[in-house]
Amino acid sequence: SQTIHQWPATLVQPVGSPLSLECTVEGTSNPNLYWYRQAAGRGLQLLFYSVGIGQISSEVPQNLSASRPQDRQFILSSKKLLLSDSGFYLCAWTGPRNSPLHFGNGTRLTVT
Amino acid sequence: AQSVTQPDIHITVSEGASLELRCNYSYGATPYLFWYVQSPGQGLQLLLKYFSGDTLVQGIKGFEAEFKRSQSSFNLRKPSVHWSDAAEYFCAVNMNRDDKIIFGKGTRLHILP
Repeated sequence: SQTIHQWPATLVQPVGSPLSLECTVEGTSNPNLYWYRQAAGRGLQLLFYSVGIGQISSEVPQNLSASRPQDRQFILSSKKLLLSDSGFYLCAWTGPRNSPLHFGNGTRLTVT
Repeated sequence: AQSVTQPDIHITVSEGASLELRCNYSYGATPYLFWYVQSPGQGLQLLLKYFSGDTLVQGIKGFEAEFKRSQSSFNLRKPSVHWSDAAEYFCAVNMNRDDKIIFGKGTRLHILP
C-alpha cells in the first residue's frame, strides 16, 4: 500500500535561518507531488507542485523553493526564513488525474 | 485566474436539519472536483469526487454533491446533519490540464444541539 512520510512534525527556527522539509512517498511510482500551507481562515494555499522529477511549478512568489531530486521525494526549502513563513505545511501526492490527494501528517513551523 | 470560492466561512445548523455548503470555481474547462472534511486536530478526509457522468455524486457519511456546469458550482449537501459532522469542509479543484489542485478557504460547520 502507498504511504507518505513527512518530517519533522514540528520545527522552531529563528528568523534568517534556512529550512528544509522533506516528504517521501512509498508504494507508488511517478506520483504528482504537492506542498500546501494551511492557515486559519485561508484554507490550503498551494505553494508548489510537481508532475515529474525536476519539474516544479511555483504558485506563490516568496522566499520558499521546492525540489524533486528523486521520483518520490519532494523537498521544501528556504535560504532565510521570515516570520511570515510560520504555519502548517502539508505534503500530498496523487496518482492518475482523477484520484484524490493523500496527505502527510504535516509540519508545524514556528519562526521566532 | 483559476480560483475556488467557498463564500461561507462559518455555517451553523441545528442537529437534524439539512445542510448545503457552496463551492464555485473559475476555470475554462470542466475540472475534477472534490470535497474534503477536516475534523479538529485531524487530517483531511475525502468525502466525494466528480470527474464526469452523473452530475449528482454520493459520498461517505451520507453526503452528496451536485455539479452544475452552467453555474460552475459543486455544492455539498446532507439531508440531516449529526453532531459529529461539526468540522471544516474544503472544496478542491484539479485543473486537469496541468494537475494543479487548488482549494477553497473552507467552511467551518457548527452544529447546535
